Amino acid sequence: NAGVMQNPRHLVRRRGQEARLRCSPMKGHSHVYWYRQLPEEGLKFMVYLQKENIIDESGMPKERFSAEFPKEGPSILRIQQVVRGDSAAYFCASSPAGWHTEAFFGQGTRLTVV
Amino acid sequence: AQTVTQSQPEMSVQEAETVTLSCTYDTSESDYYLFWYKQPPSRQMILVIRQEAYKQQNATENRFSVNFQKAAKSFSLKISDSQLGDAAMYFCAYRSDNQGGSEKLVFGKGTKLTVNP
Repeated sequence: NAGVMQNPRHLVRRRGQEARLRCSPMKGHSHVYWYRQLPEEGLKFMVYLQKENIIDESGMPKERFSAEFPKEGPSILRIQQVVRGDSAAYFCASSPAGWHTEAFFGQGTRLTVV
Repeated sequence: AQTVTQSQPEMSVQEAETVTLSCTYDTSESDYYLFWYKQPPSRQMILVIRQEAYKQQNATENRFSVNFQKAAKSFSLKISDSQLGDAAMYFCAYRSDNQGGSEKLVFGKGTKLTVNP
C-alpha cells in the first residue's frame, strides 16, 4: 500500500505565477488535510477536505489560495499569483473515514517563489 | 483556540543516553489526543507516539515514552538509549476529540534534537 504521494517534491515559481500542488491519499482514505510549514516553524493547518467537500478551511488565506478533492483524482492545492511569502513546504496528510483514525503524511512539496 | 508550546528550540544528547523533550498545551476541552512527530532531514513527518487524554497510563513505544500530566497540560517525550538515527526535528501536536469538529492537528514550533556520537 503506497503512502501519501505528493508531487512535485520541489516547485519553483516566479512571482505572479500559479502553483498547483497535488496530493494522492493512501488507498481507501477519503479525508485529506493540507498544512504549511514556514522555515523554522511547525506545521500550520490550512484546510480539511473529504471527497468533493471542504469541511474546514479556517486556516486558508482569504485570497489566492484554494483547494479541492474531486471524486476522482488527487487533491489539489492551488495558489494563484504567488508571492515570496508563499515560499514554504506544503504537506498533505490523509486518513480513512471515521473518527479515532490516524493521519499519514506525505513528504511535502517545497515551493520556492523567485 | 488550542495552542502548543515547545520551549526548547534545540537539544542535544550523547548516543546511548536519555533525553526529554518538553511540550505544554492550552485547551479548554477535556477530550483530545496528543502526538509526537519526528521530522528527519528528508522532511517526512513520522508519527512517534500518541496519547489519548482519557487514558491515565502514559504511552510507550519501544525506546520512546511520554510523561502526560493532564492537570498541568504537559506532555513530554523521553527518548532512551538515544541513537544517531533519532536526530531530527520533533514536533508536539494536539488534536481535538470533539466529534463533529475539525480533525486538524495543532503543532508546536519544534525541537531540533542532535545526537552526538
